[in-house]
Amino acid sequence: ETGVTQTPRHLVMGMTNKKSLKCEQHLGHNAMYWYKQSAKKPLELMFVYNFKEQTENNSVPSRFSPECPNSSHLFLHLHTLQPEDSALYLCASSQDPKTPSGNTIYFGEGSWLTVV
Amino acid sequence: GENVEQHPSTLSVQEGDSAVIKCTYSDSASNYFPWYKQELGKRPQLIIDIRSNVGEKKDQRIAVTLNKTAKHFSLHITETQPEDSAVYFCAAGGGYQLIWGAGTKLIIKP
Repeated sequence: ETGVTQTPRHLVMGMTNKKSLKCEQHLGHNAMYWYKQSAKKPLELMFVYNFKEQTENNSVPSRFSPECPNSSHLFLHLHTLQPEDSALYLCASSQDPKTPSGNTIYFGEGSWLTVV
Repeated sequence: GENVEQHPSTLSVQEGDSAVIKCTYSDSASNYFPWYKQELGKRPQLIIDIRSNVGEKKDQRIAVTLNKTAKHFSLHITETQPEDSAVYFCAAGGGYQLIWGAGTKLIIKP
């Protein structure tokens, strides 16, 4: 299954580094999401883009910066992260969330991030 | 803020027995309730969902029930098999926002 692909799958970075996570969806969807998954905690929605426009930013620190150049690609730029930012970052896509069929979210395999 | 509570956090059942996972939500405006399964090292995948105008939905060994009055919804898995071992997440919401439960680790004992 290659509907939503994420790279890299694993990333180790220092607190002063700048890196980016990449996501691509091949499902023809209009909306893309970044989620953070930490152990034994609920999935946290970070950002939502619908038709390339950011529609949600759930109080995410500015050290995380999203970019959505088109409906198929989504980036998460990382800068001066903290060790507590270590987690699995999941990209996802869906149809337009304002429509009933847009509620179903399709996830990528995730990018494991370790901040040292 | 809005939240979803999911119980239990870990559930161990004998193969062939039934498993039930329960979620409670706080936002009465929620109209969509999906369940996702995440196997170790894999992505979360939708296994079943229900909308607020329906009380129950079944798909082979899996069923979901919704009590809007009590703001409860539950996942039922019958005749459990080893491949059912995974972490299961519930969520509640609609539109752009889904609020997620913390997950239930389901262990199927042989």
